[in-house]
Amino acid sequence: DAGVTQSPTHLIKTRGQHVTLRCSPISGHKSVSWYQQVLGQGPQFIFQYYEKEERGRGNFPDRFSARQFPNYSSELNVNALLLGDSALYLCASSLSNRGSYNSPLHFGNGTRLTVT
Amino acid sequence: QKEVEQNSGPLSVPEGAIASLNCTYSDRGSQSFFWYRQYSGKSPELIMFIYSNGDKEDGRFTAQLNKASQYVSLLIRDSQPSDSATYLCAVNPPRQLTFGSGTQLTVLP
Repeated sequence: DAGVTQSPTHLIKTRGQHVTLRCSPISGHKSVSWYQQVLGQGPQFIFQYYEKEERGRGNFPDRFSARQFPNYSSELNVNALLLGDSALYLCASSLSNRGSYNSPLHFGNGTRLTVT
Repeated sequence: QKEVEQNSGPLSVPEGAIASLNCTYSDRGSQSFFWYRQYSGKSPELIMFIYSNGDKEDGRFTAQLNKASQYVSLLIRDSQPSDSATYLCAVNPPRQLTFGSGTQLTVLP
């Protein structure tokens, strides 16, 4: 079975631009979460979607938005990019939104965003 | 106080030794605990989870949980150079999965 797939793998943008990152979850997984990982730090939670509804939001500005589609794939949008948005953006899927031991997160390979 | 704290390392152990990685968490309501391994430039990979007090063994890996002390650890026996990576402790719920900053482990041949 295919794992979590993310596109693109790398992206270079200029300050002020916007970006859309895409994620397809593992087949059968209905929950998608987005994380930002800055070099040397652990992943920081941005959003969780389950059954196309937002179920959680981390401490990120309104420039960050996301949505989930009927096929459970998801997009993360970031507007008015800042240099500090440069990071690895990780998408993870799970069976449910409970995040318990029987529904762990499985990560995609990430999108490396560089803002110049 | 950070929600999940790990010693950032780096931690170096010789090949064949036991590597001990530690993690503390602040929310007593946390119920599930995970260890992820992340190779440089790659995404995190789930290696173990634990949800009840005590030890859980899986091959060369043992996770230990002490909820009273709010402490989780990961032991890697017979460490191999291929174990060299950053190990992330993650805790969940009541909020979404929260990660520590990771401990960088180097196993020296």
